[in-house]
Amino acid sequence: DVKVTQSSRYLVKRTGEKVFLECVQDMDHENMFWYRQDPGLGLRLIYFSYDVKMKEKGDIPEGYSVSREKKERFSLILESASTNQTSMYLCVTTGQQETQYFGPGTRLLVL
Amino acid sequence: SQQGEEDPQALSIQEGENATMNCSYKTSINNLQWYRQNSGRGLVHLILIRSNEREKHSGRLRVTLDTSKKSSSLLITASRAADTASYFCATDADSNYQLIWGAGTKLIIKP
Repeated sequence: DVKVTQSSRYLVKRTGEKVFLECVQDMDHENMFWYRQDPGLGLRLIYFSYDVKMKEKGDIPEGYSVSREKKERFSLILESASTNQTSMYLCVTTGQQETQYFGPGTRLLVL
Repeated sequence: SQQGEEDPQALSIQEGENATMNCSYKTSINNLQWYRQNSGRGLVHLILIRSNEREKHSGRLRVTLDTSKKSSSLLITASRAADTASYFCATDADSNYQLIWGAGTKLIIKP
């Protein structure tokens, strides 16, 4: 069974804090993505990675960075959290040009 | 960037009725997928239809694709309260396995 896990389901942080969101997949997939989902905006791509130590900016990378030191783990980092980064964050992985597999999401609140 | 657009943005029907949601997109695609998201949960893949297919069925779901009009529809027959969720369409327009998402249709089934 395919499994994508995210380190936290809910997270509350203060403005200016450094935030780490971790995603782990057990499918040996090369491709991993971080999205954020906001009401009425759908999913927006933040960063993605096609291989270990490889990363590319998505549509809204500002204020974020990522790390892919191991194939199974893709971390999203908010260097200095701001209130406009309050959102649902979704990690996704895909191995072929077919269905993408989603993590359960992390709902982040920045106060 | 957003390519898919779901229509309507919100839909409320009585249990037992059929629900139809539409999705339009802008560029040529390889396939189109429909996903469901229950409140506070991750996305669940429903069905994938390839660009050379016109119709596909899965249980109570029926998806059509009209590539000449760049549109797809998702029909849920004999709706149930558990179908209450947001429904998203997603298309892949390039070879990097990256999906492009619409903002979703919020479906409410009234008991």
